[in-house]
Amino acid sequence: EPEVTQTPSHQVTQMGQEVILRCVPISNHLYFYWYRQILGQKVEFLVSFYNNEISEKSEIFDDQFSVERPDGSNFTLKIRSTKLEDSAMYFCASSPTGGEVGYTFGSGTRLTVV
Amino acid sequence: GEDVEQSLFLSVREGDSSVINCTYTDSSSTYLYWYKQEPGAGLQLLTYIFSNMDMKQDQRLTVLLNKKDKHLSLRIADTQTGDSAIYFCAESPGGYQKVTFGTGTKLQVIP
Repeated sequence: EPEVTQTPSHQVTQMGQEVILRCVPISNHLYFYWYRQILGQKVEFLVSFYNNEISEKSEIFDDQFSVERPDGSNFTLKIRSTKLEDSAMYFCASSPTGGEVGYTFGSGTRLTVV
Repeated sequence: GEDVEQSLFLSVREGDSSVINCTYTDSSSTYLYWYKQEPGAGLQLLTYIFSNMDMKQDQRLTVLLNKKDKHLSLRIADTQTGDSAIYFCAESPGGYQKVTFGTGTKLQVIP
């Protein structure tokens, strides 16, 4: 069964550093998403991406964050100047049709900012 | 804004039925989902229901939707130890729009 692949599974970074979280969505999917889950809290929407541009973003997704689809297979989330409160599990997801029948999620990248 | 609420914890004996409940606030919710998260894994879509449906059954899973009360439930028949996980209720207005998740209900199945 096709999977969404995320790397790395765990990333530790120092406060103030930039990190790039990587995702390979399912190959024939057109809609891509990033969500995050701070430990013990809800899964929160960050951003959706379609046709090489952001289609929706949340209040969390400020200028510190950016997304990119640098080639035909990868979808990345960049966090500039990380803060302690950015520590969370970051989930990438993709969908062929925009989410009506649900997304396929990756296993997540646990980001720890120290 | 949108909000989805669930109880945090449910414990059942193996072989019994589990019922996980969820309430949501967004009256424009068109799609309602149940996701399962096992330890160290991502979110796995279990089932979904459109807002014009009252019930959906899929093998051991039964989803009931009371649109008037904005209440969604997931019943797992003959619960097994492998069903132990966190179950998330979620809703979306549809299209490519964002999905709003609940807090998750941790299901513990006692052998």
